[in-house]
Amino acid sequence: GEDVEQSLFLSVREGDSSVINCTYTDSSSTYLYWYKQEPGAGLQLLTYIFSNMDMKQDQRLTVLLNKKDKHLSLRIADTQTGDSAIYFCAERYPGTYKYIFGTGTRLKVLA
Amino acid sequence: GAVVSQHPSWVICKSGTSVKIECRSLDFQATTMFWYRQFPKQSLMLMATSNEGSKATYEQGVEKDKFLINHASLTLSTLTVTSAHPEDSSFYICSARDGGYNTGELFFGEGSRLTVL
Repeated sequence: GEDVEQSLFLSVREGDSSVINCTYTDSSSTYLYWYKQEPGAGLQLLTYIFSNMDMKQDQRLTVLLNKKDKHLSLRIADTQTGDSAIYFCAERYPGTYKYIFGTGTRLKVLA
Repeated sequence: GAVVSQHPSWVICKSGTSVKIECRSLDFQATTMFWYRQFPKQSLMLMATSNEGSKATYEQGVEKDKFLINHASLTLSTLTVTSAHPEDSSFYICSARDGGYNTGELFFGEGSRLTVL
């Protein structure tokens, strides 16, 4: 099927690390993305990883990719209240610009 | 970074009327734009791919006569919800591809919330 799975909710305390997980479907996907959506707003690209990489770090964000298990994770270090939002992973079908989005993880950061 | 703007941000209409939503790429030319629909607390569902100067490609299960897409220029795509009904109420988001980016990154609009009474 085409379901990209994510856990629905995650709650962390301010200052802790958050890890959001995603299981995607197509092992031939070339790019995988993480997007952030704040209430009532569109999507903001946070980071992406190319399929030949295992890890990518960008300031507080670390993306890990396990191609064998088709598992993608996003780690947010020193999570802040402003990080509270819905996070979507997305895979891009090879040879297209068609994205399949995950179900979204709602992150709540407690002060 | 590239900016995509949608208008209107929200619209309320009566059942049976048609509503047009615009998606503009402000600082780049977008040969391809995408329209998504998002139900409350759910993921984005791709509705159609809009190609400049040609007919849109609709995803399975999306009624092309219901959701008219026009991509008449490299910076503008429109989605018209015809004869809207309450079940069409949703959050509609567009995205655009900047052909200059090799990563295939899509830039998203702010979304348009449609409420049909």
